[in-house]
Amino acid sequence: DSGVTQTPKHLITATGQRVTLRCSPRSGDLSVYWYQQSLDQGLQFLIQYYNGEERAKGNILERFSAQQFPDLHSELNLSSLELGDSALYFCASSVEVAGGDTQYFGPGTRLTVL
Amino acid sequence: DQQVKQNSPSLSVQEGRISILNCDYTNSMFDYFLWYKKYPAEGPTFLISISSIKDKNEDGRFTVFLNKSAKHLSLHIVPSQPGDSAVYFCAASVETSGSRLTFGEGTQLTVNP
Repeated sequence: DSGVTQTPKHLITATGQRVTLRCSPRSGDLSVYWYQQSLDQGLQFLIQYYNGEERAKGNILERFSAQQFPDLHSELNLSSLELGDSALYFCASSVEVAGGDTQYFGPGTRLTVL
Repeated sequence: DQQVKQNSPSLSVQEGRISILNCDYTNSMFDYFLWYKKYPAEGPTFLISISSIKDKNEDGRFTVFLNKSAKHLSLHIVPSQPGDSAVYFCAASVETSGSRLTFGEGTQLTVNP
């Protein structure tokens, strides 16, 4: 158990809909990262938040957005869903220390868009 | 542009023998490297990491070697155990750029009893 929790575990929805994925980082971790793992793409970095502020952005679609709240939990919002958005979405957290920062991953949310 | 590559999609070894998983990278800015293990329906689990100032890091049965000139790293597992059977991902980051990880495609390791 990494200490990172994600809900829900599974989500099935229809095209055009909007969903919210939730992540609680490990106790004491200020950084939260979101990654997408689709069948043909491997694990791809989407976005990072540090202590409530956006820190880095990857290939995140404009239809996707995220935020980190004062209690440090994070939500990833996916809107106008398409079939191709079906994937595993992982959240990771880290302390962010100089000289090497290890990210610990949650169990993921499996999103299926029908 | 795949900046981190794991060229072997799968590897099969006998229990008790050494498993060697390889990873190549192209971005010379990467300065921190990690290996993760992933079982089906679970998130990646951190195994071991190495900073670019080192060429070797050891933790129990796991050793990671880094060859900066060749832009190559490897994970050695000795002795291999059936419970090690999983997908292994190599990942890299540039510490001054917010620590985002760039992952390889993964190698499926199967350890046969």
